[in-house]
Amino acid sequence: EPEVTQTPSHQVTQMGQEVILRCVPISNHLYFYWYRQILGQKVEFLVSFYNNEISEKSEIFDDQFSVERPDGSNFTLKIRSTKLEDSAMYFCASTRQGINQPQHFGDGTRLSIL
Amino acid sequence: DQQVKQNSPSLSVQEGRISILNCDYTNSMFDYFLWYKKYPAEGPTFLISISSIKDKNEDGRFTVFLNKSAKHLSLHIVPSQPGDSAVYFCAASEGSSNTGKLIFGQGTTLQVKP
Repeated sequence: EPEVTQTPSHQVTQMGQEVILRCVPISNHLYFYWYRQILGQKVEFLVSFYNNEISEKSEIFDDQFSVERPDGSNFTLKIRSTKLEDSAMYFCASTRQGINQPQHFGDGTRLSIL
Repeated sequence: DQQVKQNSPSLSVQEGRISILNCDYTNSMFDYFLWYKKYPAEGPTFLISISSIKDKNEDGRFTVFLNKSAKHLSLHIVPSQPGDSAVYFCAASEGSSNTGKLIFGQGTTLQVKP
């Protein structure tokens, strides 16, 4: 069964540094998402991406965050200048159509900001 | 803003018995609901979903019930197995958003005892 893959599984970064989290969505999917889960809290929506542009973003997704689909397979989340509060699990998800279909999640990247 | 709530942080049941996990929502615009299962160090895995035009959906041992007037859904697992022990998240989305963004509950940890 096709899977969403995320790399790295764990990223440790100094505060203020840039970090790029990578995702390979399922190949025939068209809608892509990033979510995050701070330890002990809910899974929270960050951003959705379709047709090479952001379709919706949350309040969390400020100017420090950006997403890109640099080629036909990768989908990346960049945090320009990391803060301690960015420490969380980051999940990528994809789906073939945007609504009324289950999203398929990767296993996440644990981001630790020191 | 807790639009999706799972009020029971944990549930323990005996193997072979029924597990019932509950979820409440406040946003009447939600029209698609999902349950995900999550093991430690893995991403959420889709289990079952239901559209607001239905009140029940069944898939093997898993059944989801939707009560729109009460803004309540539940997941029934019959019979429960030790391998079902995991964190269960309910999630909801609005069809009108066109992005499929999911709003998650806090999760319920299910323990199935042999």
